[in-house]
Amino acid sequence: DTEVTQTPKHLVMGMTNKKSLKCEQHMGHRAMYWYKQKAKKPPELMFVYSYEKLSINESVPSRFSPECPNSSLLNLHLHALQPEDSALYLCASSRDKGLAGGSGELFFGEGSRLTVL
Amino acid sequence: SQKIEQNSEALNIQEGKTATLTCNYTNYSPAYLQWYRQDPGRGPVFLLLIRENEKEKRKERLKVTFDTTLKQSLFHITASQPADSATYLCALYNFNKFYFGSGTKLNVKP
Repeated sequence: DTEVTQTPKHLVMGMTNKKSLKCEQHMGHRAMYWYKQKAKKPPELMFVYSYEKLSINESVPSRFSPECPNSSLLNLHLHALQPEDSALYLCASSRDKGLAGGSGELFFGEGSRLTVL
Repeated sequence: SQKIEQNSEALNIQEGKTATLTCNYTNYSPAYLQWYRQDPGRGPVFLLLIRENEKEKRKERLKVTFDTTLKQSLFHITASQPADSATYLCALYNFNKFYFGSGTKLNVKP
């Protein structure tokens, strides 16, 4: 199984709502990532988890709150978002950080398309 | 921080020709560089990795070169097919982070 599964695929929320994006992988990968991508822009790194601990936070606003309940799951909790937060949110995993244990390949999910009204 | 430039204009080529995409970076030479393919509304898919001490890598119809002096990577698709039409992203690994270019859209016409 070489898949990263993200749910939901689409999410529409108001600025006062609380919602969560979920990501799951069963490849035994120890690094997991959240990226944000706007149209015609590159994926922008938000968070990196390594061995279930948050190792990188790219100065993301606190209205985005990541959580890694176990080595297979990664959540992104959303609260009080702004319309400019509308984007494709991509989850990715890799065997380890960097080239440790392999090619450093990032496996991406299909993304969750978020619209904030 | 690392700045990565890919040709923002779409590249239109005829089927059967070789497509060449460019990735230029400023500042730090990355430990390694990857190329990904992204289709509309989908997550990127890994294609190739090249390390800083490698000049060239090949995989089937794909070839990547890496010139740390020019701070540039070239990505070639030979015998291109309409199914190769997609956006191609380069990604550089520095300081425990991947930095992505904005991608070049390739259109292969039959």
